[in-house]
Amino acid sequence: NAGVTQTPKFRILKIGQSMTLQCTQDMNHNYMYWYRQDPGMGLKLIYYSVGAGITDKGEVPNGYNVSRSTTEDFPLRLELAAPSQTSVYFCASSSRAWGSTDTQYFGPGTRLTVL
Amino acid sequence: DAKTTQPTSMDCAEGRAANLPCNHSTISGNEYVYWYRQIHSQGPQYIIHGLKNNETNEMASLIITEDRKSSTLILPHATLRDTAVYYCIGGKSTFGDGTTLTVKP
Repeated sequence: NAGVTQTPKFRILKIGQSMTLQCTQDMNHNYMYWYRQDPGMGLKLIYYSVGAGITDKGEVPNGYNVSRSTTEDFPLRLELAAPSQTSVYFCASSSRAWGSTDTQYFGPGTRLTVL
Repeated sequence: DAKTTQPTSMDCAEGRAANLPCNHSTISGNEYVYWYRQIHSQGPQYIIHGLKNNETNEMASLIITEDRKSSTLILPHATLRDTAVYYCIGGKSTFGDGTTLTVKP
């Protein structure tokens, strides 16, 4: 199993550009999550999904959109990139709900810089 | 909202036990306590979790108080490679800022 994979690993965007961060898991997990981590800070939940076709907002959803058309994929879309979105983005998945007896498995992260 | 509280940073001498505390007073009766760590800028890595009883695995031990409002992660013989940010998740709380553990020679 590859676990959770994310592409790209690095990206530089200009203000106002758009991009999609890709996340794929091969563990058949129902739950998937997107976090951002600013320098020296903890992780903040952007969006999460409890299954294909179902998504919900986390702590910091503004400026982002997600979709979940398959169990495996959970892309994160930035429509109008802003410098405040410079961060490291982590995708994670789990087989059960947050707080229950299951762990989250994290991808390696995407390092995004908006100039 | 569920919330955990951890010290910002801690130091530990190499070879000694590292004891990392966490308060999770809003945890519900059927919610688990999880610990993760993040080395450099890698994705967080699972360490251990528990509900009521103390737990031990090859990486660490987890001590949960009887009222479940706090817990302690114990790394019994800390090494330099254990230098990382440690996150405590109590129930449905999110990651927060964690504790930066520095293991010193």
